Amino acid sequence: DAGVIQSPRHEVTEMGQEVTLRCKPISGHNSLFWYRQTMMRGLELLIYFNNNVPIDDSGMPEDRFSAKMPNASFSTLKIQPSEPRDSAVYFCASSITNTGELFFGEGSRLTVL
Amino acid sequence: TQLLEQSPQFLSIQEGENLTVYCNSSSVFSSLQWYRQEPGEGPVLLVTVVTGGEVKKLKRLTFQFGDARKDSSLHITAAQPGDTGLYLCAGEEAAGNKLTFGGGTRVLVKP
Repeated sequence: DAGVIQSPRHEVTEMGQEVTLRCKPISGHNSLFWYRQTMMRGLELLIYFNNNVPIDDSGMPEDRFSAKMPNASFSTLKIQPSEPRDSAVYFCASSITNTGELFFGEGSRLTVL
Repeated sequence: TQLLEQSPQFLSIQEGENLTVYCNSSSVFSSLQWYRQEPGEGPVLLVTVVTGGEVKKLKRLTFQFGDARKDSSLHITAAQPGDTGLYLCAGEEAAGNKLTFGGGTRVLVKP
């Protein structure tokens, strides 16, 4: 069975450019999470969805970040405009419930120059 | 200040030695999960503990949940290079709430 699928795996962009990260959760999972991981701050929850509805976006750094889940099999995290401090590994995870086992994708490593 | 504090932040040991990683908080958790993350991959669940005082064993790994459900530990016996990775604890503060991750402990087991 396919796990959580994220794309792209790596992205290098210049400051000011728009970045879109994509995620396909595991089929049948009702909750989807976006995390950001850096050496300094560890793994931070940005936003999570239950049944495609955003439940908690308190971790989203600022208005430059937005996330959507138009259907149960797809979500995007967008950064516009991107800044060097956004450089990190962004993980998508899904679970059957919002507190059950999290299944993580392999992450999208973003570098903003 | 993180809700869940993990210690130590980094641990380097020789193959065959034992190690213990700690996860502490002032908050009570209804459940706590331990994950291991290897380079270039996402974290993978090792165990979930839900009862105060609970001890779970997974081969050479022993997990303990504190009686007051505020802390947890992970003990590895006779560590092997394959145990190398980032160990993360994640707590559920109240039933039905989201998980919060600790800062992680990076473990390096040298052959």
